[in-house]
Amino acid sequence: EEQLVESGGGLVQPGGSLRLSCAASGFTVSSNYMSWVRQAPGEGLEWVSIIYSGGSTYYADSVKGRFTISRDNSKNTLYLQMNSLRPADTAMYYCARGGARPGDILLWGQGTLVTVSS
Amino acid sequence: QTVVTQEPSLTVSPGGTVTLTCASSTGAVTSGYYPNWFQQKPGQAPRTLIYSTTNKHSWTPARFSGSLLGGKAALTVSGVQPEDEADYYCLLYYGGARLWVFGGGTKLTVL
Repeated sequence: EEQLVESGGGLVQPGGSLRLSCAASGFTVSSNYMSWVRQAPGEGLEWVSIIYSGGSTYYADSVKGRFTISRDNSKNTLYLQMNSLRPADTAMYYCARGGARPGDILLWGQGTLVTVSS
Repeated sequence: QTVVTQEPSLTVSPGGTVTLTCASSTGAVTSGYYPNWFQQKPGQAPRTLIYSTTNKHSWTPARFSGSLLGGKAALTVSGVQPEDEADYYCLLYYGGARLWVFGGGTKLTVL
């Protein structure tokens, strides 16, 4: 069974850093488009970042220069390094597996909550 | 700034049919935007219903279908069930800009 399990969320002060992890099972992370999507409390979904199977990465303007998406093929795990965190980054962060096309999302993790507050 | 617009809320009676739409501020939505539709119930992660305009996931009930309608992406639910009450989000892919944009979501009430 294909599954995504996020971890690494928590409470961090403004300006701090956090690294989220997303462990995949049942498929190979490096062979798929993999994304991070976030959802602020009571709000809608916001695309954050994507990494292509070939290694290309793209970011939403709201996180460009502060967040970095990466993967560890040996651990079949996706990461999101978040630096210079702001209160507006407070959200549930979901990792997601893409399909055959870069525009598709087929599978979601259960999410990990990031709270940025002093 | 690219904006994707959905109906904020819709109400439908059990057994009825409802169509949710997804519009792009840049113009008509085509299959090249790979419209996706997701269902989210309170306290749960989103779940994919439709990808690449019309394709259903293995767990997508047959009553859900995706299409293009009048320059928008559309999600139609035929024979609505009480368990379909949820938030629905669309996602469009803007390939030239390497940008993925979610709609604001539609809260579907079954009443």
